[in-house]
Amino acid sequence: AQRVTQPEKLLSVFKGAPVELKCNYSYSGSPELFWYVQYSRQRLQLLLRHISRESIKGFTADLNKGETSFHLKKPFAQEEDSAMYYCALRGSGNTPLVFGKGTRLSVIA
Amino acid sequence: GAVVSQHPSWVICKSGTSVKIECRSLDFQATTMFWYRQFPKQSLMLMATSNEGSKATYEQGVEKDKFLINHASLTLSTLTVTSAHPEDSSFYICSAGNTGSGANVLTFGAGSRLTVL
Repeated sequence: AQRVTQPEKLLSVFKGAPVELKCNYSYSGSPELFWYVQYSRQRLQLLLRHISRESIKGFTADLNKGETSFHLKKPFAQEEDSAMYYCALRGSGNTPLVFGKGTRLSVIA
Repeated sequence: GAVVSQHPSWVICKSGTSVKIECRSLDFQATTMFWYRQFPKQSLMLMATSNEGSKATYEQGVEKDKFLINHASLTLSTLTVTSAHPEDSSFYICSAGNTGSGANVLTFGAGSRLTVL
């Protein structure tokens, strides 16, 4: 069964502190992993995807197949990073995204 | 980039009436679109997969007669909430992928907030 687990509902950090949003998944195959972000009163938007191996807004995420994890990290949190973050998985073909329950990141000044 | 438009963004209706929500891919064709539902402070739950020219595929627990999906063209899918009740009040979001670009990324609409009185 496909499943995405985000264990933290809420994560509060101080500005300038490192951030790690956890994501674990289960999937029988080779999925593609994504992080989506939803800022207040805005639509869901793609933050990054594992195959791109890029850094967006200072965030990075590495797919660890052994641990079936795709944790999102940023070395120095900014206030504008405060948002809902969703980890998502997509299988092969034209299949839907399966979302985790989301983690609300709150960056405190 | 790929843009998905939803209309209306906000609708209030009386209990027992039907509401139609449109999802359009503005600059690409989408043979498949996905409809999600998001309750307050919760994650997105997949409701159904909308297939152009054929019947939608519904997730377990989603009533197909309640949530009618029509995907009549490659750029438009509609979700009709029939005989709406207050428990249908939610945020409905559609998404589509521009498979023609070769990318495996889904783009989301801004969502439609339905309030049933």
